[in-house]
Amino acid sequence: GAVVSQHPSWVICKSGTSVKIECRSLDFQATTMFWYRQFPKQSLMLMATSNEGSKATYEQGVEKDKFLINHASLTLSTLTVTSAHPEDSSFYICSARGRDTIIPRPQHFGDGTRLSIL
Amino acid sequence: QKEVEQNSGPLSVPEGAIASLNCTYSDRGSQSFFWYRQYSGKSPELIMFIYSNGDKEDGRFTAQLNKASQYVSLLIRDSQPSDSATYLCAVNPSGGYNKLIFGAGTRLAVHP
Repeated sequence: GAVVSQHPSWVICKSGTSVKIECRSLDFQATTMFWYRQFPKQSLMLMATSNEGSKATYEQGVEKDKFLINHASLTLSTLTVTSAHPEDSSFYICSARGRDTIIPRPQHFGDGTRLSIL
Repeated sequence: QKEVEQNSGPLSVPEGAIASLNCTYSDRGSQSFFWYRQYSGKSPELIMFIYSNGDKEDGRFTAQLNKASQYVSLLIRDSQPSDSATYLCAVNPSGGYNKLIFGAGTRLAVHP
């Protein structure tokens, strides 16, 4: 159980393009979804937290107008990187947390999206 | 700044040995602690979590938490080459129940 699907797994596109990444919880309702970014040999950095039906909460230094997050349902959140540039190239990973009965409630990660901007 | 510190490694252990991975955190009010394993190019997968002082065992894995000293460790018994990966320590900071703060990870190499 607790499967999170992320799509696409790999994107290569030109500078200036907008890219949408989908994150779906397949077998549970994700009340909260998280978006992380990971540069090579570095740890995961939280970009934003989104609760279903609410606006996302962005971490300090993350541009909300550049990284648009939508969490319209309990099973789907999307991250859109608008007007992507080479410095946005990174590994983007989503995670989801549901109404687990165990405490603390762990996050379950998607397989990640490797974004390369040329 | 709420930080989670890990030795980057690599930690090299022979097959069958015990691997010991350590993590310290700066936020004394942190509540919950997680260990994730991440293979190269893949996303993290949860190994186990702990929130009470002491030891918690799950198969070959044992998590140890000492809140007074602000450290959490992961022991892997009977290490296998397939355990070779980066192990990430993650902490729920105080006042941030939703969030996880990750350490940079320790790379473990188990050699036959």
